[in-house]
Amino acid sequence: NAGVMQNPRHLVRRRGQEARLRCSPMKGHSHVYWYRQLPEEGLKFMVYLQKENIIDESGMPKERFSAEFPKEGPSILRIQQVVRGDSAAYFCASSPTSANTGELFFGEGSRLTVL
Amino acid sequence: DQQVKQNSPSLSVQEGRISILNCDYTNSMFDYFLWYKKYPAEGPTFLISISSIKDKNEDGRFTVFLNKSAKHLSLHIVPSQPGDSAVYFCAGRETSGSRLTFGEGTQLTVNP
Repeated sequence: NAGVMQNPRHLVRRRGQEARLRCSPMKGHSHVYWYRQLPEEGLKFMVYLQKENIIDESGMPKERFSAEFPKEGPSILRIQQVVRGDSAAYFCASSPTSANTGELFFGEGSRLTVL
Repeated sequence: DQQVKQNSPSLSVQEGRISILNCDYTNSMFDYFLWYKKYPAEGPTFLISISSIKDKNEDGRFTVFLNKSAKHLSLHIVPSQPGDSAVYFCAGRETSGSRLTFGEGTQLTVNP
């Protein structure tokens, strides 16, 4: 499967625990984006990363959320001390070095449920 | 600040008729506009895009129209098919960056 791979697809956490979501971009893509979709809402930008660099994190909550895209391995979105309001679908997208037409390729998402 | 807005949460059409999905934007820095389709429990998939220097782009049954003076774009699907039933998101990309700003989505239902 050459698409964007996200895991886990479903994750259940209790309040106060940590959630780690992983994303492997499409082959040949070096740009990764994380979006969040709350119930009954649209996709909200969180963070844009290239290998070992955070390019734009203007959509990330100031506390508890962090993201990385190491030189080797998948991109990780980490949520510490989760709260019920973090329950959402988290989508990762990737693009090649130059996304001329703006097209992003999305994974199937990771659905986080906080009990 | 809602830079991209889809005012209709839902739209229902008959199979074979035209579906028109609308989108308004406020950010003049968008250089590309894109439409994505999303089925339940799946990720969004790219449908069609248009450059801000064009006013129309067509791909098979899908046509996107851009009216820059009105800051409005629309997606036309003709003829509509039951398999087109999905949530459609409009998005804009700023010239200064690569991220997309999405609208809230419109649920399209095509009835057989």
